Amino acid sequence: DSGVTQTPKHLITATGQRVTLRCSPRSGDLSVYWYQQSLDQGLQFLIQYYNGEERAKGNILERFSAQQFPDLHSELNLSSLELGDSALYFCASSGNVGGGGETQYFGPGTRLLVL
Amino acid sequence: GENVEQHPSTLSVQEGDSAVIKCTYSDSASNYFPWYKQELGKGPQLIIDIRSNVGEKKDQRIAVTLNKTAKHFSLHITETQPEDSAVYFCAAPRGGSYIPTFGRGTSLIVHP
Repeated sequence: DSGVTQTPKHLITATGQRVTLRCSPRSGDLSVYWYQQSLDQGLQFLIQYYNGEERAKGNILERFSAQQFPDLHSELNLSSLELGDSALYFCASSGNVGGGGETQYFGPGTRLLVL
Repeated sequence: GENVEQHPSTLSVQEGDSAVIKCTYSDSASNYFPWYKQELGKGPQLIIDIRSNVGEKKDQRIAVTLNKTAKHFSLHITETQPEDSAVYFCAAPRGGSYIPTFGRGTSLIVHP
């Protein structure tokens, strides 16, 4: 158990809808990272938050957004969902800002299916 | 940005054999190279990592070697066991911070 929790485990929704994925980092970790894992794209970095502020951005679509709250949990919002958004979404956390080779601890993921 | 190539995509071995997975990276500024193991239905879990000031690191049956000149690093698993069956990912950071680019993964199957 990594100490990172994600809810829900599974999510089934329809195209055009909006969903929110939630992540609680390990106790004391300040950075939260979101990743998308699909069969054709592999594990892709989406976005990082550090202590409430956006720190780094990856291949995140404009339809997707995220935030980190004062209690350090994070939410990933996916809107105008398309079939191609079906994937596993992982959250990871690390202790600090992420520089210098900091270990990331991954949660169990949320499996999103868009029908 | 960083480009990480991982080979092979699948690896099938008999229990007790050794397994080797190789990764190459493109960003010469990369300085931290973790390996993750992902079991079915779970998130990736760090199993070993190496930093650029070290050429090799071992942890029981697992070892990682790094060749910075050639820009490649490898995962070695000795005396494989069925519970080693999983997908293994290498990663290398984008220069300047630790935002990893992951390899495409290697599905390791250990036959009892």
